[in-house]
Amino acid sequence: KQEVTQIPAALSVPEGENLVLNCSFTDSAIYNLQWFRQDPGKGLTSLLLIQSSQREQTSGRLNASLDKSSGRSTLYIAASQPGDSATYLCAVNYSGAGSYQLTFGKGTKLSVIP
Amino acid sequence: DADVTQTPRNRITKTGKRIMLECSQTKGHDRMYWYRQDPGLGLRLIYYSFDVKDINKGEISDGYSVSRQAQAKFSLSLESAIPNQTALYFCATSSGVTQYFGPGTRLLVL
Repeated sequence: KQEVTQIPAALSVPEGENLVLNCSFTDSAIYNLQWFRQDPGKGLTSLLLIQSSQREQTSGRLNASLDKSSGRSTLYIAASQPGDSATYLCAVNYSGAGSYQLTFGKGTKLSVIP
Repeated sequence: DADVTQTPRNRITKTGKRIMLECSQTKGHDRMYWYRQDPGLGLRLIYYSFDVKDINKGEISDGYSVSRQAQAKFSLSLESAIPNQTALYFCATSSGVTQYFGPGTRLLVL
């Protein structure tokens, strides 16, 4: 069974700091990995999707990397802003779960202090 | 207008009551999903459907049932609600790449 772990569970940083969120998964037979953002009282918003053949994806100040062999992904946020405060979820689509099912980590709650 | 809508947004019910959570989407996607989110446990898949005639159990389907009334509508029912079904419920849709989530339904079972 695939397990997805996110460390740390919570993180507080001052505005402007660069930061890294970590995600690890136990089964490397994945189709892709996604990073989502969840704001309180709202649903999840997809930030970045990395296919299993890719090493990284970038969108604005966000960069996600994937090392499938070691079962790790990182989400790098540059020049953090208070608006980045949210919970960030990592989700893996792996072949053992059938066609396009996601296994989620428990998330990292990020607070960016002005 | 939102692409994925869920009704109700909040619901309080009593143990033993039957309730239905509804999900509608305007994205034209074939695939729809129901998840629950509990503090400290992340999101877990309850049921998923790849088209109107295809319904599949997810990781935690016991105590739940679903109905895919149309391509755009996917309902989740709790036949006899119990307190440990108190959670935040999300509906999602997909065309096969990424998933798009609704805003969630917060359910409290007393």
